[in-house]
Amino acid sequence: DAKTTQPNSMESNEEEPVHLPCNHSTISGTDYIHWYRQLPSQGPEYVIHGLTSNVNNRMASLAIAEDRKSSTLILHRATLRDAAVYYCILSNPQGAQKLVFGQGTRLTINP
Amino acid sequence: GAVVSQHPSWVICKSGTSVKIECRSLDFQATTMFWYRQFPKQSLMLMATSNEGSKATYEQGVEKDKFLINHASLTLSTLTVTSAHPEDSSFYICSASQGGAFLEQFFGPGTRLTVL
Repeated sequence: DAKTTQPNSMESNEEEPVHLPCNHSTISGTDYIHWYRQLPSQGPEYVIHGLTSNVNNRMASLAIAEDRKSSTLILHRATLRDAAVYYCILSNPQGAQKLVFGQGTRLTINP
Repeated sequence: GAVVSQHPSWVICKSGTSVKIECRSLDFQATTMFWYRQFPKQSLMLMATSNEGSKATYEQGVEKDKFLINHASLTLSTLTVTSAHPEDSSFYICSASQGGAFLEQFFGPGTRLTVL
């Protein structure tokens, strides 16, 4: 499975945008980029995914670099409920049908 | 939609006993279910992948005779921790997938197991 690198922690203020980076320099052409987040004492929840183009949904936006070796999850207006560990994961539907979690980024939101 | 439940949400048992954890997809049929374990302050570790009606595929280092997985239907998978010991105390999380190109997984709320 291709590896991703994320900062261990980030901090932001409520109602400000948050940009969470992820490096995946060994990504293959068929790897999807997934973002999940895990709130304390809960199972992870899906945030967004993409392949090549930038993606938007009601939770966040995903900006994918042109060479696909990095991506950024954007929370447009952070709330206290966005405090969680965010995981950037690569998976290849042509390979093993599984997600391998790295250490993720622990996001703290200050009121 | 796409809700996954786990039962129980927490369990305390004595060392040497076996514990069964259920994972159900409530509103969709899950072709594949996954079981993860998470120790405090650590990330999720995939234990095994199970497909309905077939044997589970265990990750390297996971004892298949200790962690028994049954995926008897498209909506139910069970994980049985046999002869549990204190080091098996952990947060166990399941997820379910409908398949598809981008492999979105829906996660259960987790089961906290404490072995005394």
